[in-house]
Amino acid sequence: QVQLQESGPGLVKPSETLSLTCTVSGGSINNYYWSWIRQPPGKGLEWIGYIYSSGSTNYNPSLKSRVTISVDTSKNQLSLKLTSVTAADTAVYYCARGSCSSGSCWDWFDPWGQGTLVTVSS
Amino acid sequence: DIVMTQSPDSLAVSLGERATINCKSSRSLLYSSNNKNYLAWYQQKPGQPPKLLTYWASTRESGVPDRFSGSGSGTDFTLTISSLQAEDVAVYYCQQYYSSPPTFGQGTKLGIK
Repeated sequence: QVQLQESGPGLVKPSETLSLTCTVSGGSINNYYWSWIRQPPGKGLEWIGYIYSSGSTNYNPSLKSRVTISVDTSKNQLSLKLTSVTAADTAVYYCARGSCSSGSCWDWFDPWGQGTLVTVSS
Repeated sequence: DIVMTQSPDSLAVSLGERATINCKSSRSLLYSSNNKNYLAWYQQKPGQPPKLLTYWASTRESGVPDRFSGSGSGTDFTLTISSLQAEDVAVYYCQQYYSSPPTFGQGTKLGIK
């Protein structure tokens, strides 16, 4: 079955750029929406944005000015960049797949990667 | 953004008893053209990612035990665990996908009494 694995630095300095990669295995990245979702320690879930395999994107307005999501279909990977980070961006970052069937897609998420903790600190 | 509010924030239920978690949305999640409610439920155990339990408010994901059931329509939804098992201890989240951005409830922590 499809598995997702996030990777990237676990520590980022304030004002710098957070960069993460999600590698998809066991299936193709094509024809699905792929989201990034984050969870601050001990808190709830926040959707960051998604990318379709064609490259079209949609971002949460609360983060839109700082977020870029990209896809490399040849590597079956998607990436997240979040600029000008602060301590408030400290969170576990997940990648997850949206659901698509018969040409229609919806934003419930399954499966999810295991997540990667990113701490923003000097 | 659609605001999702869960109640209670936490609850404790005896093993074998029923657990009920509520979720209220700030606007209707019922799409009139297909009569579907755009709501999903997730279970998150410590140190793990969320796991999808139900979508379309009441459609159980493959492999999810039938003691989990989702119900409701419009703005009011419920996740029911008919007979609590020890492995059901977790935080449960509702999530709307009616409009962008998709948003989650704050979570309900379920424990054993």
